[in-house]
Amino acid sequence: ILNVEQSPQSLHVQEGDSTNFTCSFPSSNFYALHWYRWETAKSPEALFVMTLNGDEKKKGRISATLNTKEGYSYLYIKGSQPEDSATYLCAFLYGTSYGKLTFGQGTILTVHP
Amino acid sequence: EPEVTQTPSHQVTQMGQEVILRCVPISNHLYFYWYRQILGQKVEFLVSFYNNEISEKSEIFDDQFSVERPDGSNFTLKIRSTKLEDSAMYFCASSEAAGERGEQYFGPGTRLTVT
Repeated sequence: ILNVEQSPQSLHVQEGDSTNFTCSFPSSNFYALHWYRWETAKSPEALFVMTLNGDEKKKGRISATLNTKEGYSYLYIKGSQPEDSATYLCAFLYGTSYGKLTFGQGTILTVHP
Repeated sequence: EPEVTQTPSHQVTQMGQEVILRCVPISNHLYFYWYRQILGQKVEFLVSFYNNEISEKSEIFDDQFSVERPDGSNFTLKIRSTKLEDSAMYFCASSEAAGERGEQYFGPGTRLTVT
């Protein structure tokens, strides 16, 4: 059974703080790791698809790193803004899958003005 | 920007009834998926669909579930005889490619409540 874990479960930060959270996944049979941002009552929005060990991707103030050998990925948000408040989901794609994503439970981020 | 749409946004049904959840994927996408999230639990994969057939399905996707692409635009999930434990948010997704290039675009979900 594949297990994808995210920590922390929730996070409260002040506007302007930088923050990061973790996604842990099986290190064997790795194919890709997806990060999604999910605001309440909206569709989950794809942030990154990461495939290579050591990969680092950036979109504005959000960036992510990947370590496939030890099975973790970090998501960083620099200078958090209230509009960054959302649930951040990671999802693991393993080697023989046709796109079946296995999700973590998500990290709920609340940014206080 | 193109988006995945789903209807209805909320469906209430009685146990034992059939429901059909509808999705319109992004028009040039070739791969289609259904996921669900039971309240308080992780988002879980149900099924993937490509070239008019199921590519992969989870243990949840038993004989009570079926998927169809009845025309060039819609992608549907049918639950033949709903159970209380089918109550969940159901998400449709689509992607241009599968595998590592397959960024999946999600719809806003249909909340299914079985009473």
